[in-house]
Amino acid sequence: AQTVTQSQPEMSVQEAETVTLSCTYDTSESDYYLFWYKQPPSRQMILVIRQEAYKQQNATENRFSVNFQKAAKSFSLKISDSQLGDAAMYFCAYRNTGTASKLTFGTGTRLQVTL
Amino acid sequence: GAVVSQHPSWVICKSGTSVKIECRSLDFQATTMFWYRQFPKQSLMLMATSNEGSKATYEQGVEKDKFLINHASLTLSTLTVTSAHPEDSSFYICSARGLDGGSYNEQFFGPGTRLTVL
Repeated sequence: AQTVTQSQPEMSVQEAETVTLSCTYDTSESDYYLFWYKQPPSRQMILVIRQEAYKQQNATENRFSVNFQKAAKSFSLKISDSQLGDAAMYFCAYRNTGTASKLTFGTGTRLQVTL
Repeated sequence: GAVVSQHPSWVICKSGTSVKIECRSLDFQATTMFWYRQFPKQSLMLMATSNEGSKATYEQGVEKDKFLINHASLTLSTLTVTSAHPEDSSFYICSARGLDGGSYNEQFFGPGTRLTVL
C-alpha cells in the first residue's frame, strides 16, 4: 500500500518570504499522480498543484512550485512571496493512475503566515 | 473547476437517530464518489468509494451497516449515519470524480458537513 509522509506538523513564514513544505511517499508504481491540497479554515479542500510522475519537469502554478524527485520519492511544495491568505493546512496526496484509484493523504502541515 | 455541493453544512442530532448527508455534483456527471471523515487537526480518512449504480466499497474498519452510502445517480450520493452516537461526531467530506476523457479525471471536493451528535 502507498504511504505519504509529511514530517512537518507546523511551519511558519513571514509575509513575502518563501517557504518549502516537505513530503515523501512510498510506492512500487512507476506512473502515478502527486498533489498538494490546501485546506483553509473554511475546510474546503482546494487543489494547489498536481504532478504526473512520468513528467520530469516540475509543475508550477503562479507562486506555487514543486520539487519532484522521483528516485528519492520526494515531492516538496515551495510557496513564494507568501501571503496571509496562504495560511492553511496543506496536505500532500498520492494517487495511482486508473479511474478507480483513491487518494492517499499525508498527515498535513499547518502553515502560519506572519506579518 | 467543477462544483460539488453538500447538504446540510451542519447538523446536530440526538443520540440514536439517523442523519442523511447529500452530496451533489452540480455541473458534471460523477461516475465515482468518495466519502471522507476528518477529525479536528487530522487528515482526511477515506470511508468508502461508490460508483453510480453499484454498491459502495468500504475501507477496512468502516462499518457498512452504520454508514450507508447510496449512489443512485450520476449527480447524487448520500451518506446515512444510522443510530448516531457521540463518537460519530465529525466532519464528513464528499468528493466526486467524473470522466474527462483522459487518464487523469480530476477529483472535486464538497465543502463538508459538520455532524454533532448529542
